[in-house]
Amino acid sequence: DIQMTQSPTVSASVGDRVTITCRASQGLNNYFAWYQQKPGKAPKLLIYSVSSLESGVPSRFSGSRSGTDFTLTITSLQPEDFASYYCLQADSFPSLSFGGGTKVEIK
Amino acid sequence: QVQLQESGPGLVKPSETLSLTCAVSGYSIINGYCWGWIRQPPGKGLEWIGSICHNGDTYYNASLKTRLTTSADSSKNQFSLDLKSVTAADTAVYYCVRLEHLRRVFDKWGLGTMVTVAA
Repeated sequence: DIQMTQSPTVSASVGDRVTITCRASQGLNNYFAWYQQKPGKAPKLLIYSVSSLESGVPSRFSGSRSGTDFTLTITSLQPEDFASYYCLQADSFPSLSFGGGTKVEIK
Repeated sequence: QVQLQESGPGLVKPSETLSLTCAVSGYSIINGYCWGWIRQPPGKGLEWIGSICHNGDTYYNASLKTRLTTSADSSKNQFSLDLKSVTAADTAVYYCVRLEHLRRVFDKWGLGTMVTVAA
């Protein structure tokens, strides 16, 4: 099984540049996505195929990869961005797996 | 637009079967896509449970496979989940989802339904 590891929390302030990392246990193709989840809500798709921005998502969100490390970057953190973020790998489609999630909290 | 809506009991007793249904509107489930379930225990992360595709193929999380059955009813345009022999560890918010093949993402989500396993 492919394991995805995320740091549990990131502390930041409004206006900060924030990076959230997801490390895969093995090499992956580019079927990799990021979701944002706010309390009491279903997750929302932000990024797919490592770096493609979902329609309607602000351009301050971007995705990239370096080897088995995948990164979600928020260039200027906004108040509405305080949330949890989950990575999703789909190499083993149609069996998929999520990372453990990273909560972006107020510093 | 495509909408998904979960329904089912909010409380299930230990050792019994958890049964949920997802009603789909705005798209016929037999026309394409896989349709599935994801759960989230309180305060924890997301776990893919399983999927049933438009052609009837099913795919299950290996950790749940022995307890899990998914099915679809095209006449009602809905799909279902049966998880047997539940324990407190199955307490979670359960989401039904649409799985898009091309981008390999869960692109449509239901609102989620909380299921508690307790006596």
